[in-house]
Amino acid sequence: SQTIHQWPATLVQPVGSPLSLECTVEGTSNPNLYWYRQAAGRGLQLLFYSVGIGQISSEVPQNLSASRPQDRQFILSSKKLLLSDSGFYLCANQPGQTPNSPLHFGNGTRLTVT
Amino acid sequence: AQSVTQLDSQVPVFEEAPVELRCNYSSSVSVYLFWYVQYPNQGLQLLLKYLSGSTLVKGINGFEAEFNKSQTSFHLRKPSVHISDTAEYFCAVTRTDSWGKLQFGAGTQVVVTP
Repeated sequence: SQTIHQWPATLVQPVGSPLSLECTVEGTSNPNLYWYRQAAGRGLQLLFYSVGIGQISSEVPQNLSASRPQDRQFILSSKKLLLSDSGFYLCANQPGQTPNSPLHFGNGTRLTVT
Repeated sequence: AQSVTQLDSQVPVFEEAPVELRCNYSSSVSVYLFWYVQYPNQGLQLLLKYLSGSTLVKGINGFEAEFNKSQTSFHLRKPSVHISDTAEYFCAVTRTDSWGKLQFGAGTQVVVTP
């Protein structure tokens, strides 16, 4: 079965500091991978998705970037965090790679920027 | 573009009572519809999905949803809730011709009390 690992689980960072959140997937190869952000009291916003190594698509302009250095690794980064970057970040995998395949989510990273 | 509206941000309900969570969507193309549940500080889990066929879809934990194309709705129901159903519920939609980029609603917080 497939497992999505996200770390760290929680993170408190000062404004202006860098960020690196990591997501790895086990039990599958060549997955479609996604980064979502959930802000307090709001739904989930798709930030980035990737269909393969080095292939990243950004959904919204922002202070964040993503990279996929390996098939099952997806990293979310920032050079300088803003207060508005606070939120719950979720990595997701789409095992079936078809439109009707549900997403599987990791347990998320709660980021607080102070 | 697609959009999803969850009409209730919070739904209080007594244990063993029925619950209905409302979801309306808009799209100019065919879509797939999903309901996810999120327990505190966890990722999302798939409850059920509508792809095609019967408009009444049954999911896990006794939940079901009915797709109504004319009203562009996909309401979620459970005839008798448990304390353990306390969670946030998200409706999501994706185009049938475009994988993975789910559009989520803002979520409905269900609070079950004895």
